[in-house]
Amino acid sequence: DTAVSQTPKYLVTQMGNDKSIKCEQNLGHDTMYWYKQDSKKFLKIMFSYNNKELIINETVPNRFSPKSPDKAHLNLHINSLELGDSAVYFCASSKRAVSYEQYFGPGTRLTVT
Amino acid sequence: GENVEQHPSTLSVQEGDSAVIKCTYSDSASNYFPWYKQELGKRPQLIIDIRSNVGEKKDQRIAVTLNKTAKHFSLHITETQPEDSAVYFCAARGANFGNEKLTFGTGTRLTIIP
Repeated sequence: DTAVSQTPKYLVTQMGNDKSIKCEQNLGHDTMYWYKQDSKKFLKIMFSYNNKELIINETVPNRFSPKSPDKAHLNLHINSLELGDSAVYFCASSKRAVSYEQYFGPGTRLTVT
Repeated sequence: GENVEQHPSTLSVQEGDSAVIKCTYSDSASNYFPWYKQELGKRPQLIIDIRSNVGEKKDQRIAVTLNKTAKHFSLHITETQPEDSAVYFCAARGANFGNEKLTFGTGTRLTIIP
């Protein structure tokens, strides 16, 4: 009965590689988000999709490209990984019209070496 | 854009005592203020939230107060227990179109001393 799930949980890769993180929610929510949490625990929004449409795009390098194939999925693809991309990436979802509450996934710890 | 400041960054409290964490926000149009608890290695989880039309909300040992005029809100935990040890984040949600996102504070590491 997992609400928001992410894969993989851990990702270790070398600089310059391209990687993807997947997120799925089974809550029937219409809005999904990607957050980045750095080593100092700062939690910052990167993107938000509502009904597969991009509605929030923070100042994020264009090496990061989100894709939402349907309302229940939001993936994050990262090109040409850099050391500074190392962080924990959290996916979240909410039912925008009903509640502002956001449910977070378990996180993906990305380590770039 | 919205700016949320959170204090203190660390807080140690004797078990059974109360803990208070304070946040201020900059966008007077913000309309929703959640508090998240994040245990080590885990996801942030909502523990309580308040909307801008309410001044106070309580849920057992946890309460949140909101002062819209001063643009600050606080988390109060009473009768603290060891399992309350975690990092707590406040957040504010913008209400204007295109700004409907949560901006988080920088977190407070709360340690309950047995």
